[in-house]
Amino acid sequence: DTAVSQTPKYLVTQMGNDKSIKCEQNLGHDTMYWYKQDSKKFLKIMFSYNNKELIINETVPNRFSPKSPDKAHLNLHINSLELGDSAVYFCASSQAQGSGELFFGEGSRLTVL
Amino acid sequence: AQSVTQPDIHITVSEGASLELRCNYSYGATPYLFWYVQSPGQGLQLLLKYFSGDTLVQGIKGFEAEFKRSQSSFNLRKPSVHWSDAAEYFCAVGAGYSSASKIIFGSGTRLSIRP
Repeated sequence: DTAVSQTPKYLVTQMGNDKSIKCEQNLGHDTMYWYKQDSKKFLKIMFSYNNKELIINETVPNRFSPKSPDKAHLNLHINSLELGDSAVYFCASSQAQGSGELFFGEGSRLTVL
Repeated sequence: AQSVTQPDIHITVSEGASLELRCNYSYGATPYLFWYVQSPGQGLQLLLKYFSGDTLVQGIKGFEAEFKRSQSSFNLRKPSVHWSDAAEYFCAVGAGYSSASKIIFGSGTRLSIRP
């Protein structure tokens, strides 16, 4: 049973399209995150949600909109995709905000052509 | 705000040799420190963490790390590496439990193993 699962694993799309990535965790954690990993492997936090409430929003363009329907799910919708959005997006969860013991999904590799 | 630096982008060691990966952090108070490992095509997995107490912490897969406040360092060590240790290693720092606490990752060190 995968603890943090994200779909799809790979996503190839054209510039200007809209796409979504879904994430689910079955660990009973209260906090979920989206991280972006660029081609140089640099990991940057984008958003965090604690019990469905947005806690951290790290100067991410408005084209990115997270949604947490319940504390086990955190989805990421991206509008008007740009070349620079190409990256691996990781979902993660933790028992509490700031605990640092993050459990990561396997990542969703987004390629914008 | 906290920050973390991993000065080595890529390290190659021979199988069976010892390993030390460097990590330096910047934070005004006692930080929460972590090492994560990322195998190719995978997400990150926690190797070990330091919150308080004993400054030498043991982790999974035979790794250990030592917190040195005077040097603002949290270096990762392993006495004898195995080919399966080839991966990307990330040091991370957190400011502790709070509603807005973030975990900040270093830029990573890629470890290659020479047969």
